[in-house]
Amino acid sequence: DAMVIQNPRYQVTQFGKPVTLSCSQTLNHNVMYWYQQKSSQAPKLLFHYYDKDFNNEADTPDNFQSRRPNTSFCFLDIRSPGLGDAAMYLCATSRDRASQVNEQFFGPGTRLTVL
Amino acid sequence: QQQVKQSPQSLIVQKGGISIINCAYENTAFDYFPWYQQFPGKGPALLIAIRPDVSEKKEGRFTISFNKSAKQFSLHIMDSQPGDSATYFCAPNFVFGPGTRLSVLP
Repeated sequence: DAMVIQNPRYQVTQFGKPVTLSCSQTLNHNVMYWYQQKSSQAPKLLFHYYDKDFNNEADTPDNFQSRRPNTSFCFLDIRSPGLGDAAMYLCATSRDRASQVNEQFFGPGTRLTVL
Repeated sequence: QQQVKQSPQSLIVQKGGISIINCAYENTAFDYFPWYQQFPGKGPALLIAIRPDVSEKKEGRFTISFNKSAKQFSLHIMDSQPGDSATYFCAPNFVFGPGTRLSVLP
């Protein structure tokens, strides 16, 4: 049974055209994360929500925004995608923050192509 | 303080051999030490994790060793199989290392 679901799996957008990626979870976890992973690189944390509390990483560009309308869903909005934003975007969840020794569950990712 | 390093960057092992991947971190506040396995086109999946009050944990062919004073922990894969070929990430407190690409030759 899928626990962290990402839609779509593949997304193609045009340079500068806003795009939204979706993540949903069936685990009822408090924390949801968005990572960007470029080819042959480690996942890079963009931001996370602890319940409704939004936590942005210091080096996340303003071009990236997120919304969490309820416990189950979280969205990643890229306002004006550039060619450098082409990557795999990974959504993850955990029951609590890392300091509480929690497993982090990842979705399959959405591969974004920017033309 | 958030820097996480892994070595080696890539590793080639014969089937049946032992694969060893090391992770070093700087932040002494870290208290969760997992290893993730990622196959191409897939999201990372937790392989094994350890808490700082334990020095070693074994799950099947996978062992994680932790050295708190040295701020290092390692992954040992015994009897490595071609199906273990993947990229492995350490991610203390969810801060990912750069990854190690493991290839197990048949």
